[in-house]
Amino acid sequence: QTVVTQEPSLTVSPGGTVTLTCAPSSGVVGSHHYSNWFQQKPGQAPRALIYSTSHKHSWTPARFSGSLLGGKAALTLSSVQPEDEAEYYCLLYYGGTWVFGGGTKLTVL
Amino acid sequence: QVQLVESGGGVVQPGRSLRLSCAASGFPFNNFALHWVRQAPGKGLEWVALMSYDGTKEYYADSVRGRFTVSRDISKNTLYLQMNSLRHEDTAVYYCARDVSITILGMDVWGQGTTVTVSS
Repeated sequence: QTVVTQEPSLTVSPGGTVTLTCAPSSGVVGSHHYSNWFQQKPGQAPRALIYSTSHKHSWTPARFSGSLLGGKAALTLSSVQPEDEAEYYCLLYYGGTWVFGGGTKLTVL
Repeated sequence: QVQLVESGGGVVQPGRSLRLSCAASGFPFNNFALHWVRQAPGKGLEWVALMSYDGTKEYYADSVRGRFTVSRDISKNTLYLQMNSLRHEDTAVYYCARDVSITILGMDVWGQGTTVTVSS
């Protein structure tokens, strides 16, 4: 089964910009993978941020954006806020089944 | 509002069975695919299973295929996950999540999860 890799951890300053990426063990990410992004804070259920590469949910803050970047799925956070400190997971579609990335712990410092 | 409430978790011995439920409300049950996702203690998310919006298709992760079965009761707006031959590595919080649309695009709304512990 495909393994999906994310940066284990990233640090960003408040007000800064950071990009998280998501790459499969083989091949590149395309629109047909319908990449999703989720945020999870300790003790809470995941919260959906992005679906189908770049579409935002009604509750997704404008500072979050999804894209494809160099063969990877990417989540960019602009004007980072302290409350954005969390674990972020990507999710890729493989013809009926889905695979989560290992997660990125984002620290806002 | 749209809500998913999981139940049925507990402590179970290896090799035994357990059935989880996910009660849905606030949206037309027949119009959305539904997923099961789990998270082992201190670990990341793992996609487990999916039932299509019309109940005709089921998909499973390799780690549970042949042991877990997803089903639903439309009259109760409830999704189930029947877990057989449970293993220690099945210990996790199990979430149910709604797909974004009738065509499978990913998840939007999540439940709060139910905890399954497989232990002798």
